[in-house]
Amino acid sequence: GQQVMQIPQYQHVQEGEDFTTYCNSSTTLSNIQWYKQRPGGHPVFLIQLVKSGEVKKQKRLTFQFGEAKKNSSLHITATQTTDVGTYFCAGPGSARQLTFGSGTQLTVLP
Amino acid sequence: NAGVTQTPKFRVLKTGQSMTLLCAQDMNHEYMYWYRQDPGMGLRLIHYSVGEGTTAKGEVPDGYNVSRLKKQNFLLGLESAAPSQTSVYFCASSYAGGVAGNTIYFGEGSWLTVV
Repeated sequence: GQQVMQIPQYQHVQEGEDFTTYCNSSTTLSNIQWYKQRPGGHPVFLIQLVKSGEVKKQKRLTFQFGEAKKNSSLHITATQTTDVGTYFCAGPGSARQLTFGSGTQLTVLP
Repeated sequence: NAGVTQTPKFRVLKTGQSMTLLCAQDMNHEYMYWYRQDPGMGLRLIHYSVGEGTTAKGEVPDGYNVSRLKKQNFLLGLESAAPSQTSVYFCASSYAGGVAGNTIYFGEGSWLTVV
């Protein structure tokens, strides 16, 4: 069935460095969503991408949806300690429900 | 506005015991979900419901049962707990399903340990 693969699994960066996580699907997605989970917390919705090649920005976060709608990326410019957490992508799965990637755990070293 | 509320937040069970996790949402959402989260495995869908009185299996349904007797509540039951069910459980809800691109709202999680 539908799988959403996410890399890397872990990323340690120095505060101020950039960070990127990538999401790849085995099938074309009608939409892709991104969530953030702070340590000890619950996933919180960040953004949804729908259009082929779409790029959206939220302050230092840039989200892209691939032209073929099979991949997506989240880029954080100049990371801060508040960016710490696990970032998940999610796309519609075989059961017509969201299938989550395994997540990228970001650590920001001060 | 409470959103999605889960109880209990923490629980320790002995192997073979049964328990029920309770989930309530006050957003009038049709869809409700139970996920489990294990290190390195992301969020895996256990069961879900597309409306009152309906339930469906997700990716990892074995060992769990669910009920949606009221639109606002979704219960997850473990009939005979096993150590492999030690996990963090998240209840969630959404207005409609993933295909429609609807945002999922998560509860704060229930930490379950089976010894």
